[in-house]
Amino acid sequence: EAQVTQNPRYLITVTGKKLTVTCSQNMNHEYMSWYRQDPGLGLRQIYYSMNVEVTDKGDVPEGYKVSRKEKRNFPLILESPSPNQTSLYFCASSLSWGGEKLFFGSGTQLSVL
Amino acid sequence: DQQVKQNSPSLSVQEGRISILNCDYTNSMFDYFLWYKKYPAEGPTFLISISSIKDKNEDGRFTVFLNKSAKHLSLHIVPSQPGDSAVYFCAASANQGAQKLVFGQGTRLTINP
Repeated sequence: EAQVTQNPRYLITVTGKKLTVTCSQNMNHEYMSWYRQDPGLGLRQIYYSMNVEVTDKGDVPEGYKVSRKEKRNFPLILESPSPNQTSLYFCASSLSWGGEKLFFGSGTQLSVL
Repeated sequence: DQQVKQNSPSLSVQEGRISILNCDYTNSMFDYFLWYKKYPAEGPTFLISISSIKDKNEDGRFTVFLNKSAKHLSLHIVPSQPGDSAVYFCAASANQGAQKLVFGQGTRLTINP
């Protein structure tokens, strides 16, 4: 089944404790992206990657890191999480950077205490 | 600065009637518009899209209308069904690129039996 898989689904952590949210897609998509969803703000792009080893900042990149060492994986790293990073996170992928149809994972609900 | 705005956080419609969801944008460079649908505990899924060279696109019960001069688009669902109850996100991009897809805040649609 074609899908984007995020882990974990739920995560509670404390301020300053490094964490990684994993994302993997099995559709051989070139493009991958991370979004966060907050009430009243919709989905905002954090980082995106157009291909292996090619990443760029989205609209809200502060406090986040990403890497794209393999085509299928695009982990989101929070080196020192803070309470304002409490949010619902979505990973998404698309066939190419010009492709409009994004496939989303099921989301990761992160709480930073 | 919210470039894509959905001014109605929620909408309630009777089953069988028409649902109309609205979206406004400010960036005149946007040339591709999409609607995504999101159920609780799931990621958004692509619903329908429209290019700026068109003013209407239909797919079954779903029709998207684009008014470029007013920088406004709308999603019509006819007839509305209980399974349409979800959050709907409007999104826009320039140069038909997924790398900078800008989302609205979302509208929660509830279809009442």
